[in-house]
Amino acid sequence: AQKVTQAQTEISVVEKEDVTLDCVYETRDTTYYLFWYKQPPSGELVFLIRRNSFDEQNEISGRYSWNFQKSTSSFNFTITASQVVDSAVYFCALSGEQAGTALIFGKGTTLSVSS
Amino acid sequence: ETGVTQTPRHLVMGMTNKKSLKCEQHLGHNAMYWYKQSAKKPLELMFVYSLEERVENNSVPSRFSPECPNSSHLFLHLHTLQPEDSALYLCASSQVGVAYNEQFFGPGTRLTVL
Repeated sequence: AQKVTQAQTEISVVEKEDVTLDCVYETRDTTYYLFWYKQPPSGELVFLIRRNSFDEQNEISGRYSWNFQKSTSSFNFTITASQVVDSAVYFCALSGEQAGTALIFGKGTTLSVSS
Repeated sequence: ETGVTQTPRHLVMGMTNKKSLKCEQHLGHNAMYWYKQSAKKPLELMFVYSLEERVENNSVPSRFSPECPNSSHLFLHLHTLQPEDSALYLCASSQVGVAYNEQFFGPGTRLTVL
């Protein structure tokens, strides 16, 4: 069975702090894809990143970075120098080998950044 | 219009009403999805349409009825709902046949059942 666990329900930080959102996944597929989505108060899920199981390179995009480690089945997301606009619910998701299968979402982490 | 649009954005209905949620994608994708997001619960997949055929129905009650007339449009027909059906209903689309399944979401319809 596939499963995504985001153990942190809520995180509160002050602007300019760095914050890491944890994601641990379970799957028996050898090929799979991992995603992060952001859900601001408006409700729309915004796609942030996709990573496939054969690519363990970390990625950096501006203030965002992702650390994928197959050995620990983790795909953590770090925001550097957080800003108030980063306040949102962040979801980690997993997709299996077959194209067209649904995404398995974690329960999400609510990030609150105060000024 | 770009991306995935949903109408209405907010809906209040009584348990005896019949209403429909509409989703339209402008991305040229060939798969569409309905998700339900309740408070304190993870996103739940309801229905998947791939190439206009329903391929997944996750034990959703029959009071929810999907319709996919073409690859760009998806409806969710609602009738005799219960208060526990109040939730955010999200539509998504993706391109089946590529190696990954990157889904793009609409803004959602916030449904309240009285």
